[in-house]
Amino acid sequence: EDQVTQSPEALRLQEGESSSLNCSYTVSGLRGLFWYRQDPGKGPEFLFTLYSAGEEKEKERLKATLTKKESFLHITAPKPEDSATYLCAVQARAGNQFYFGTGTSLTVIP
Amino acid sequence: DTGVSQDPRHKITKRGQNVTFRCDPISEHNRLYWYRQTLGQGPEFLTYFQNEAQLEKSRLLSDRFSAERPKGSFSTLEIQRTEQGDSAMYLCASSLVQYGYTFGSGTRLTVV
Repeated sequence: EDQVTQSPEALRLQEGESSSLNCSYTVSGLRGLFWYRQDPGKGPEFLFTLYSAGEEKEKERLKATLTKKESFLHITAPKPEDSATYLCAVQARAGNQFYFGTGTSLTVIP
Repeated sequence: DTGVSQDPRHKITKRGQNVTFRCDPISEHNRLYWYRQTLGQGPEFLTYFQNEAQLEKSRLLSDRFSAERPKGSFSTLEIQRTEQGDSAMYLCASSLVQYGYTFGSGTRLTVV
């Protein structure tokens, strides 16, 4: 069964303290792995799509990487405005739905 | 605003009542999805439309739930005889291809 596990559930960082969020996945043929940011009371906001092992994407302080079993979202020198829940999702080749993890709640303290 | 619009943003209803939510996707997107998200969980797939055809439904979508997308534009999600367990955020997303959803801000349903 396709599934996604994210860790840690929650992460508190001091401003400027770099760290990584993990997304482990099991999928029968990966079409794509997706990272979203979600602020309280809002819908998920698209960040990255990764399609194959070894691929990397960057946007400002965020960098996403992908292996055959997991993805990492690296946050470099985070700022308080990076505080949010970060969701990982996978889409299998045979299907249209996304399978989401439960997310990592990130708090960046000034 | 050219994003995905959902209405209403919040809905409080009494148990047993029927509710209907609306989603207006990005105009050129032919694919439309409904997801449900409860507190502390990731979104869970409910159903998928390509144009006006409903092509996929989750087993989470009981017979009290019905979704439509007439004319392949906006979509509605109706819940009949609401139960307290239906309380959640209902998210709509759209896409032009098979990846890269754009989500709306969701409709928060509270059943009292």
